[in-house]
Amino acid sequence: DSGVTQTPKHLITATGQRVTLRCSPRSGDLSVYWYQQSLDQGLQFLIQYYNGEERAKGNILERFSAQQFPDLHSELNLSSLELGDSALYFCASSFGGIGTEAFFGQGTRLTVV
Amino acid sequence: EDQVTQSPEALRLQEGESSSLNCSYTVSGLRGLFWYRQDPGKGPEFLFTLYSAGEEKEKERLKATLTKKESFLHITAPKPEDSATYLCAVQANTGFQKLVFGTGTRLLVSP
Repeated sequence: DSGVTQTPKHLITATGQRVTLRCSPRSGDLSVYWYQQSLDQGLQFLIQYYNGEERAKGNILERFSAQQFPDLHSELNLSSLELGDSALYFCASSFGGIGTEAFFGQGTRLTVV
Repeated sequence: EDQVTQSPEALRLQEGESSSLNCSYTVSGLRGLFWYRQDPGKGPEFLFTLYSAGEEKEKERLKATLTKKESFLHITAPKPEDSATYLCAVQANTGFQKLVFGTGTRLLVSP
């Protein structure tokens, strides 16, 4: 158990809908990262927050947004969903943003039908 | 742009047959290189962090090494439970930076 909790584990929704994925980082970790992993694809970095502030942005679509709350949990919002958004979405956390190990949650499997 | 290339894409070994996985990287100043293990449908599990060329780390049957351009994950006398995808990632030393992952090596160890 990495200590990073993601909910829900599975999500099935229709095209055009909006969903929210939630991540609780390890106790004491200030950084949260979101990654997308599609079938046979590598982990694609979406966005990083550090202590409530956005720190780095990757290949995140405009339909997607995220935030980190004062209690350090994070939410990833996906809207106007398309079939191609079906993927595993992982959250990871680390104490700092530089050179520290990131620990991953078990992921949310999103299926868009 | 930071890049990570892993080879081979897939590797099949017999139990006890040692081998190495390669991770080549280009990064604008390396802060750290990370190895993870990922089982199907699960989140990546942290294995090692390497920070400077010449550094080595070991854990059970795994040993990770680092040069200025690549890292190797050596697997000694593997067992079937070592079957997984092994991921390599780099982090640049400019500000608060993301981990850039390779696409991984799928390892299958047969009894």
